[in-house]
Amino acid sequence: DQQVKQNSPSLSVQEGRISILNCDYTNSMFDYFLWYKKYPAEGPTFLISISSIKDKNEDGRFTVFLNKSAKHLSLHIVPSQPGDSAVYFCAASASRTNAGKSTFGDGTTLTVKP
Amino acid sequence: EAQVTQNPRYLITVTGKKLTVTCSQNMNHEYMSWYRQDPGLGLRQIYYSMNVEVTDKGDVPEGYKVSRKEKRNFPLILESPSPNQTSLYFCASSQSTVSYNEQFFGPGTRLTVL
Repeated sequence: DQQVKQNSPSLSVQEGRISILNCDYTNSMFDYFLWYKKYPAEGPTFLISISSIKDKNEDGRFTVFLNKSAKHLSLHIVPSQPGDSAVYFCAASASRTNAGKSTFGDGTTLTVKP
Repeated sequence: EAQVTQNPRYLITVTGKKLTVTCSQNMNHEYMSWYRQDPGLGLRQIYYSMNVEVTDKGDVPEGYKVSRKEKRNFPLILESPSPNQTSLYFCASSQSTVSYNEQFFGPGTRLTVL
């Protein structure tokens, strides 16, 4: 039972355009969501997070949107840059039931073409 | 430099030969965790520790052991490795005691079990 799904294994966009990465979850107890970026041969690095009390969080070019009723979140990157080419993972946690567990999606490989 | 270190970075071993992958962080973080990354399966949590002497199972703990005797170290032990434990392993730490704050990841250990 995969509780966090990233249905698009890959995404290709042109430099300067918007990149939208999607993530769906099934566990209604999840109330914290994080996005990580991973370059080849490196560990993941934290990008942005959102808690369920919000529906949007913005940090520079990165914005995460949360739709609780649809159990869906998305990461928007505007404008996209070639250096954004990486694998993006969404992760979810349920703070009230199991604060130590993190559940990750499969990842989406983003390619930004110059 | 604040970092999470893992050793070894690469290891090829044979079935049944006990091994330990070390993880150390120099940020005085409370929370530490181990993940494995496999193609098409994203990151899956093996074990986590919310404090010294406190450890708990993640989603895929079978075949692994951990210990947290001191805050900075969180070794991953494979008592009798099998080929299905061939994977890329990441250690992570977080300042708080929970999983849903930013986690800092190590560079990864690529393990091959023949």
